[in-house]
Amino acid sequence: LAKTTQPISMDSYEGQEVNITCSHNNIATNDYITWYQQFPSQGPRFIIQGYKTKVTNEVASLFIPADRKSSTLSLPRVSLSDTAVYYCLVGDMTYQAGTALIFGKGTTLSVSS
Amino acid sequence: NAGVTQTPKFQVLKTGQSMTLQCAQDMNHEYMSWYRQDPGMGLRLIHYSVGAGITDQGEVPNGYNVSRSTTEDFPLRLLSAAPSQTSVYFCASSPDSNTEAFFGQGTRLTVV
Repeated sequence: LAKTTQPISMDSYEGQEVNITCSHNNIATNDYITWYQQFPSQGPRFIIQGYKTKVTNEVASLFIPADRKSSTLSLPRVSLSDTAVYYCLVGDMTYQAGTALIFGKGTTLSVSS
Repeated sequence: NAGVTQTPKFQVLKTGQSMTLQCAQDMNHEYMSWYRQDPGMGLRLIHYSVGAGITDQGEVPNGYNVSRSTTEDFPLRLLSAAPSQTSVYFCASSPDSNTEAFFGQGTRLTVV
């Protein structure tokens, strides 16, 4: 069972770059690393997914070192609307076909003006 | 595209009552799952399904039943509601195990 560890909370100001690191020491060979964002009273929303090295999309970048035991979600120039809880997930092969997402408590990011 | 639709959005039950939370998706996804989220907590998996006719238990399955008779629908049944089941329930679907999951807007359930 791949378990993840991430900071409980982070604070930032508008316009800054925010990096949230997730530790997953027991990641399995076939596991992917996925990040979700959740606003209050809404369901989680997919942000980005990667397997190794670096992945970038219009919202964020994901950095994964060669050993894959950690990953870093990078949010460039955050705004107030980026205030949310961010979850790091690793594919859980304990469940059949690794289908089920295992959420931890996530990182609460607070962005101030 | 409606995506993942959950009904109802809000529900109050008395202890011992039964009810079904509905979840429907129109994306032809094989994988569907139910989560509950309690205050200050992450999401915990209740049940999941990898296709019609196939279901399995997650982390916290006690007190809940599911069935998957069609690809589109994945209802969650509370057989005898208890105050400990007061929570926000989210349904999700995805095309396979390692791609983006789409979540519904949630059902806020209060058991008194």
